[in-house]
Amino acid sequence: DTAVSQTPKYLVTQMGNDKSIKCEQNLGHDTMYWYKQDSKKFLKIMFSYNNKELIINETVPNRFSPKSPDKAHLNLHINSLELGDSAVYFCASSQGGSQYFGPGTRLLVL
Amino acid sequence: QKEVEQNSGPLSVPEGAIASLNCTYSDRVSQSFFWYRQYSGKSPELIMSIYSNGDKEDGRFTAQLNKASQYVSLLIRDSQPSDSATYLCAANSGGGADGLTFGKGTHLIIQP
Repeated sequence: DTAVSQTPKYLVTQMGNDKSIKCEQNLGHDTMYWYKQDSKKFLKIMFSYNNKELIINETVPNRFSPKSPDKAHLNLHINSLELGDSAVYFCASSQGGSQYFGPGTRLLVL
Repeated sequence: QKEVEQNSGPLSVPEGAIASLNCTYSDRVSQSFFWYRQYSGKSPELIMSIYSNGDKEDGRFTAQLNKASQYVSLLIRDSQPSDSATYLCAANSGGGADGLTFGKGTHLIIQP
């Protein structure tokens, strides 16, 4: 059983397109997150959702919009993709403490 | 601005020796600290969490926290080649929904 899963694993797309990444956790956690890991491997928080409510929104362009249909799912929609959006996007979940990461989605914008 | 600093390495350690990884953090409000291991092309995997000053041991791993010095460390005893990876230090200001602030990671190489 995969605790935190993401789809797709790889995403290659053209500049200007809109794409979505999906995340699901079966750990029963209340909080889910999106992180971005850039080409230099620096991992940075983007969003946090607690019980379907956005808790933090770091300085992320508004082209990125998280959506949580229920507390087990947190999707990330990206509009008007730019070259600089190329990165690995990780979903994570926690229950007030340690965070557990999904396998990541490698996004390449051409 | 919250920052977590790590030496990027690479840190090269002979097999069987103790690997010592260090981390400092800037935000005095930080209450929870974590060490993650990340293999190339894989996701971060939680190794240790530590919340109180002192040492916490789990198998071959020992995490150490000194809040006065704003310093966190990870010791890996009897290092194995499979321990070769990037180790990420992370801090959390304590709120349940807070995202983690990560360091840039230390690349550890265990030499057989």
